[in-house]
Amino acid sequence: GQNIDQPTEMTATEGAIVQINCTYQTSGFNGLFWYQQHAGEAPTFLSYNVLDGLEEKGRFSSFLSRSKGYSYLLLKELQMKDSASYLCAVRLDNYGQNFVFGPGTRLSVLP
Amino acid sequence: DTAVSQTPKYLVTQMGNDKSIKCEQNLGHDTMYWYKQDSKKFLKIMFSYNNKELIINETVPNRFSPKSPDKAHLNLHINSLELGDSAVYFCASSSRKGGVHEQYFGPGTRLTVT
Repeated sequence: GQNIDQPTEMTATEGAIVQINCTYQTSGFNGLFWYQQHAGEAPTFLSYNVLDGLEEKGRFSSFLSRSKGYSYLLLKELQMKDSASYLCAVRLDNYGQNFVFGPGTRLSVLP
Repeated sequence: DTAVSQTPKYLVTQMGNDKSIKCEQNLGHDTMYWYKQDSKKFLKIMFSYNNKELIINETVPNRFSPKSPDKAHLNLHINSLELGDSAVYFCASSSRKGGVHEQYFGPGTRLTVT
């Protein structure tokens, strides 16, 4: 079976830094994706890791450790508009383009 | 300019009816998907098509039948709708040529079965 875990909810203050963790146990691994989903909207791509280490993209960074089955998304200088759900997704294989999504973490940014 | 579009945005229907959702992408992608997001916001893949060929067919009742007339379109037909089919259905697309292969999602179709 496939299993991806994320905290259900997190709260942080505007201007702060927040780290959203994701652990996975899957039958295959060909990359880990982070998506942002605002309420009532479609998910949008944030970042991608396939090798161990940190990928930085403006205020967002994502880290991967394949040996630990662990990733995190780091959001810096939080803004109110960052209030959304953050979905961790594992691509199981490159050919099949099969993805497993985690349950999502709902982040609330308070003033 | 819309990259991935779906119609309709809302669909309210009664149990037992048959309905279709249409999806089109203008990104030139070769892979398209259907996802179901239930009331707990859990996003689950249903189907994956590459160049009009079915690649992934997860454990989905055979009342759900995808159809891809060409690489830019992937429609979803649902027969004999049930209450449990109520959810938001997202279409997505990606490209397998080089790069990250991130998925671009359509705006979603909120299906309510009464």
